[in-house]
This record gives sequence, C-alpha cells and structure tokens, in this order.
Amino acid sequence: AQSVAQPEDQVNVAEGNPLTVKCTYSVSGNPYLFWYVQYPNRGLQFLLKYITGDNLVKGSYGFEAEFNKSQTSFHLKKPSALVSDSALYFCAVRPYNTDKLIFGTGTRLQVFP
Amino acid sequence: GAVVSQHPSRVICKSGTSVKIECRSLDFQATTMFWYRQFPKQSLMLMATSNEGSKATYEQGVEKDKFLINHASLTLSTLTVTSAHPEDSSFYICSAGQGQNQPQHFGDGTRLSIL
Repeated sequence: AQSVAQPEDQVNVAEGNPLTVKCTYSVSGNPYLFWYVQYPNRGLQFLLKYITGDNLVKGSYGFEAEFNKSQTSFHLKKPSALVSDSALYFCAVRPYNTDKLIFGTGTRLQVFP
Repeated sequence: GAVVSQHPSRVICKSGTSVKIECRSLDFQATTMFWYRQFPKQSLMLMATSNEGSKATYEQGVEKDKFLINHASLTLSTLTVTSAHPEDSSFYICSAGQGQNQPQHFGDGTRLSIL
C-alpha cells in the first residue's frame, strides 16, 4: 500500500536553531512531493514541492526540503527557526498516475523563544 | 494568486439539519476539487474528488447520499451534509487543483458542530 510516514508527532526547537521535520514515503513510480503547513483552525498552506530536477527545493518562509530518492525521503528544513513557525506540518505525496494526495499524519513543530 | 475561499467557516446546528459548504477558487479555474475531513489531532482524510460537470468520485466508506457534492463550474464546488448528526461534527476542508504539476490549494476549512 502507498503511504507517507512522518515519524515524529512533535518537534521542539529553540528559536534561531536549525529545524528538520522528517518525511519518508512508499509510493511506486516517481511521485510528486509536497509540504504544507496548517495553523489552528485554518486550511493548509502550500510551502514547497518537488517534481523533478535539483534535489534541494526552496519554498516559502525560508523553508527548504531535500529529496533523497534512495532513501525515499523528503525532509523539511529551515536554517534558523522562528517562533512564528510553530504549526502543524504535513508531508504529502501524489503518485504519478493520480490527482490525489496521500498525507502523512502531521508533525507539530514547536519553536521556543 | 491561487486563492481558495471556503464558506462558512463555522456552523453550529441541530441534529437533522442539512448543511451546505461552498468552495470557490477565486483567481484560477480548478480542474478538480477535493473534499477532506479532519478529526482532532489527525491527518486529512480524503472524502471525494469532483470534476466540473461530472459526478463526484467518493472514497471507500464515504456515503455519497450523506455527503452530496456538486461541482457546477470550474470555480465552485459545494458539499452538502444531509440530515447531519453529532457524529458528522468535524473540520471539513476543500482544495482545488490546477493540474498535475501544480499543488492543491486549500480553503480555510469549515468547522461543523452538530448539537
């Protein structure tokens, strides 16, 4: 079965420190990969995507993600965390032959001042 | 760009009421719209996929007669929860897609509370 795993329910990081939110996937073929962020009682905001090309993708608000085909991972990173980055982050995969997204279970990022 | 507007943001109503939720793509034409349900502290569960002018495709376990979806135009899709009961209380989120290489853009969600 196709799936997306976000192994950490919560990630805590001090403001100014680098952050990583992990994502691995199990999907056949070459999928499209996405990261979204959700603030309380809001929908999801698109952060970045990987379709093809350079493995390091840069997105909104200083976030970036690295695609690793051999490890089937797409970890989200930011060099210096802000308190305002505290939110729920979702990794999503779209298999190449469908419009549907498969979401991970989400990781709550908490950035402490 | 790529704004999706979802209304209402919150609904509180009595059991047995039918509730309609609208999802509009404001500045683009959406080839496909999606409806999700999100339970507290959980991920999004895809309920159905709709394309303009055709019947929605429902995911396994989702009652199509309970959750009516109409996709009247390339910018508007509606979800009607018919004869809602307390177990239908949830956060419903729509999204709109522009094509295969593009991300889905999400509305801000509707929190439905059935008393």
